[in-house]
Amino acid sequence: EAQVTQNPRYLITVTGKKLTVTCSQNMNHEYMSWYRQDPGLGLRQIYYSMNVEVTDKGDVPEGYKVSRKEKRNFPLILESPSPNQTSLYFCASSLIPGGADEKLFFGSGTQLSVL
Amino acid sequence: AQSVTQPDIHITVSEGASLELRCNYSYGATPYLFWYVQSPGQGLQLLLKYFSGDTLVQGIKGFEAEFKRSQSSFNLRKPSVHWSDAAEYFCAVGSGSARQLTFGSGTQLTVLP
Repeated sequence: EAQVTQNPRYLITVTGKKLTVTCSQNMNHEYMSWYRQDPGLGLRQIYYSMNVEVTDKGDVPEGYKVSRKEKRNFPLILESPSPNQTSLYFCASSLIPGGADEKLFFGSGTQLSVL
Repeated sequence: AQSVTQPDIHITVSEGASLELRCNYSYGATPYLFWYVQSPGQGLQLLLKYFSGDTLVQGIKGFEAEFKRSQSSFNLRKPSVHWSDAAEYFCAVGSGSARQLTFGSGTQLTVLP
């Protein structure tokens, strides 16, 4: 089954404790992206990647890191989480964007709480 | 910079009634436009998209949207709403090759029996 898998589904942590949210897709997609969803703000893009070793900042990259060492994986790293990073996070993937077949596939989300 | 405005935070309709969700965008060139739906506790699912060509786009679940360049709008419509359509709906605009997708703040749809 084609899917984007995020882990964990829920995460509670404390300020300053490094954490990683994993994202994996099994569709051989070139493009992957991370979003955060906050009430009244919709989804905001954090980082995206057009292919292995190619990443770029989205609208709200501060406090986050990503890596794309393999095509299928795109982890989101918070080196020193702060309470304002409490949010619902989504990973998504698609074929190279801009084509007629473009369609983003979303993971089920990771609810992060930073105390 | 591109932006998307969904002026209605919450809309309530009766089952069987027609629906129109508004979306206005700001973008310097021909936009790539999308509508996504999010059911509670789920990720987003693509309803439909506009890249070029026919300005009336058909999507899944009986939804359609019309691109109106003169009004910078991409409103979503459905002639008869079902209770299962209750969800949050997001409009998004993309830049194509650069692929920085910008989402609106969403419209929460409630369907009354």
